Amino acid sequence: DTAVSQTPKYLVTQMGNDKSIKCEQNLGHDTMYWYKQDSKKFLKIMFSYNNKELIINETVPNRFSPKSPDKAHLNLHINSLELGDSAVYFCASSPGTAVNEKLFFGSGTQLSVL
Amino acid sequence: AQSVTQPDIHITVSEGASLELRCNYSYGATPYLFWYVQSPGQGLQLLLKYFSGDTLVQGIKGFEAEFKRSQSSFNLRKPSVHWSDAAEYFCAVAPNSGGYQKVTFGIGTKLQVIP
Repeated sequence: DTAVSQTPKYLVTQMGNDKSIKCEQNLGHDTMYWYKQDSKKFLKIMFSYNNKELIINETVPNRFSPKSPDKAHLNLHINSLELGDSAVYFCASSPGTAVNEKLFFGSGTQLSVL
Repeated sequence: AQSVTQPDIHITVSEGASLELRCNYSYGATPYLFWYVQSPGQGLQLLLKYFSGDTLVQGIKGFEAEFKRSQSSFNLRKPSVHWSDAAEYFCAVAPNSGGYQKVTFGIGTKLQVIP
């Protein structure tokens, strides 16, 4: 069973469209994250939720809106997609919020904006 | 603010040879240090981490890393590389408090293993 699963794996879309990426974890963790990995492999945190509450929002454009319907799910909705949004987006989870908690990553969603 | 440098973008080693991947960090105190591995098409997986205590840390898959405060380094090593070790390796640094918004990842070292 996949611990952290995200869908879709690949997403190709036109500029200006709205798209969503879904993430689910079956580890019973309280904390979930979205990371963005750009073309240079630079990995940066975008959001974190703890028990459905937003705790980290790292100066991400407000076109990006995370939603956590329950603590096992953290979805990412992106409005008005731009070329610069092309990247690999990783969902992750951890038992708690402290930096010494182990992160478990999903396999990524490769978003290509044309 | 902390930073992390992985000087080698790409490394090629022969199967069975030893491996050392370099990581240097910049931080005013003793940080938390991590090594992650990313196989093609997969998310990152934690190999090992250093928080305090013994400066030689053992991880999964036969990897180890040594924290050297005097050199601000946390190099990853493996005595004998297997073809399945071909992947991208990321070093990360964080202050010893706070949450994951304070974790800084390096840009990775891509390891190629040749027969």
